[in-house]
Amino acid sequence: EAGVVQSPRYKIIEKKQPVAFWCNPISGHNTLYWYRQNLGQGPELLIRYENEEAVDDSQLPKDRFSAERLKGVDSTLKIQPAELGDSAVYLCASSSPTGEGTEAFFGQGTRLTVV
Amino acid sequence: ILNVEQSPQSLHVQEGDSTNFTCSFPSSNFYALHWYRWETAKSPEALFVMTLNGDEKKKGRISATLNTKEGYSYLYIKGSQPEDSATYLCAFPNNDMRFGAGTRLTVKP
Repeated sequence: EAGVVQSPRYKIIEKKQPVAFWCNPISGHNTLYWYRQNLGQGPELLIRYENEEAVDDSQLPKDRFSAERLKGVDSTLKIQPAELGDSAVYLCASSSPTGEGTEAFFGQGTRLTVV
Repeated sequence: ILNVEQSPQSLHVQEGDSTNFTCSFPSSNFYALHWYRWETAKSPEALFVMTLNGDEKKKGRISATLNTKEGYSYLYIKGSQPEDSATYLCAFPNNDMRFGAGTRLTVKP
């Protein structure tokens, strides 16, 4: 079974430019998470989807960040315009709806560097 | 939102040493706790899913215990090896799968 797939793995952009990340979750996983991880810190939840509905986006900086999950499968996370402080690893994870104890499965992340 | 704390923030041990670290959380409204290991350049991977007070789970040299009444979980590594070097994270599915800051373990040969 394929795991969570993210692309690109690495991205270097100049500040004020837009950037987008893509995530393909494990087939059948209704829950999808986007996290941001800054150096030396744990992953910070940005947004959680149940199917195509964003059920928690309280941590998403809505002035420049946006996300969508069309058809409840793949998801994209966009930053426009990017700032220097957005440099981080962006992780996508998915989990199945069967039971609260089910763990999340992670992609390898996208390392964003804003210069 | 649960206030989750992990300690220590980082840990350096010699190969062969045993070590442990802590995830602390509010004891009310506990549902489940997950431990993850995150190795450099890889994806975080689940180690344990813990749901019951007094749970003790083991995978090879790594084990974890859970005390929901006092609000903590310990992760133990027996006879640490360099390949155990990673960041160990705890997370809570009823807290939107929010993570603690993690414990960064470095095992020196």
